[in-house]
Amino acid sequence: EAQVTQNPRYLITVTGKKLTVTCSQNMNHEYMSWYRQDPGLGLRQIYYSMNVEVTDKGDVPEGYKVSRKEKRNFPLILESPSPNQTSLYFCASSKRGFNQPQHFGDGTRLSIL
Amino acid sequence: AQKITQTQPGMFVQEKEAVTLDCTYDTSDQSYGLFWYKQPSSGEMIFLIYQGSYDEQNATEGRYSLNFQKARKSANLVISASQLGDSAMYFCAMRESSGENTGFQKLVFGTGTRLLVSP
Repeated sequence: EAQVTQNPRYLITVTGKKLTVTCSQNMNHEYMSWYRQDPGLGLRQIYYSMNVEVTDKGDVPEGYKVSRKEKRNFPLILESPSPNQTSLYFCASSKRGFNQPQHFGDGTRLSIL
Repeated sequence: AQKITQTQPGMFVQEKEAVTLDCTYDTSDQSYGLFWYKQPSSGEMIFLIYQGSYDEQNATEGRYSLNFQKARKSANLVISASQLGDSAMYFCAMRESSGENTGFQKLVFGTGTRLLVSP
């Protein structure tokens, strides 16, 4: 089954404790992206990747890191999480091209205390 | 400036009626794509419909159609014959080139419209 898999689905942690949210897709998509969703703000793009080793900042990259060492994986790293990073996070993938819809994972709800 | 503007935080519609969800966008690119996604209360993001900037015909997918007015930079979603299962959050999104490097593509979402369908 074609899918985007995020882990964990839920995480409660404390300020400053490094964490990684994994994202994996099995559709051989070149494009992968991370978003955060906050009430009243919609989805905002954090980072995206056009292909292996090719990443770029989205609109809200501060406090996040990503890497794309393999085509299928695109982990999101919070080196020193803070409470303002409490949010619902989505990973998505697609083929390249303006007409390609994103396939979304089920989301990861992060709470930073 | 907002790239994608959805001015309706919430909309109500009765079952079997049609409803239009508004979306305006801002871009200087000639090539871009416009998308609508549905997010039910369960949280997943579901792709509904796509409109390309060069498409001359309005996109349609079943009960969904897109009223694309390029000169006005609007891409409104029309849902015909609303069903109770259409109650959800709806997001308009645009895929465009990122800055000077046209090989890169950013995706920008609006803030969403919550649709409630009543019996």
